[in-house]
Amino acid sequence: EIVMTQSPATLSVSPGERATLSCRASQSVSNDLAWYQQKPGQSPRLLIYGASTRATGLPARFSGSGSGTEFTLTITSLQSEDFAVYYCQQYNDWPPRFTFGQGTKLEI
Amino acid sequence: QVQLVESGGGLVKPGGSLRLSCAASGFSLSDYYMSWIRQVSGKGLEWVSYSSSSGSAIYYADSVKGRFTISRDNAKNSLTLQMNSLRAEDTAVYYCARCTNNAIGAFDIWGQGTMVAVSS
Repeated sequence: EIVMTQSPATLSVSPGERATLSCRASQSVSNDLAWYQQKPGQSPRLLIYGASTRATGLPARFSGSGSGTEFTLTITSLQSEDFAVYYCQQYNDWPPRFTFGQGTKLEI
Repeated sequence: QVQLVESGGGLVKPGGSLRLSCAASGFSLSDYYMSWIRQVSGKGLEWVSYSSSSGSAIYYADSVKGRFTISRDNAKNSLTLQMNSLRAEDTAVYYCARCTNNAIGAFDIWGQGTMVAVSS
């Protein structure tokens, strides 16, 4: 099983600032990496797939980068609605054994 | 609009069974791969099962293999998860989720989730 490790567990930032979230895979997943945002009481929302492709309608302040084992989600000019938990997920393992990171909580 | 609505969750005793349903609307289920994903309260996400668009290719996480069965009725736009021999560790919110067409394995539409509690 490919283990996904996110860091930090909690990131404290202020509105208007930039946030950088990291995700590491225990083995290469090429660019088969997605990022999700989850707010309390809500379902996860797809932000990024293919490591760097924004989902439909996602603001440009969200960007993803990386390949292989190291990935980054960057959110510039943080807005109040961006404070949430963010998960990375690999979908490279086949037959499918999709795995998620443990999440990074982005807080004020 | 495009949405998924789960139902069928509830409280069940260890060893019991539950059948979860997921109704799709706004799109044709037959065009998409689908999965079930669960989340223990306050914890992370765990992929559970996966069905190809026709239902001919099906996969399960090791933690549920032999106990859970995924199926679909494309004519009714419905996805199902039959859960047998339930254990306390199966307690979670269960989501059905649609795989993107551009990246099979990334999930672009999620239901609101249905809670499953396994307890005596």
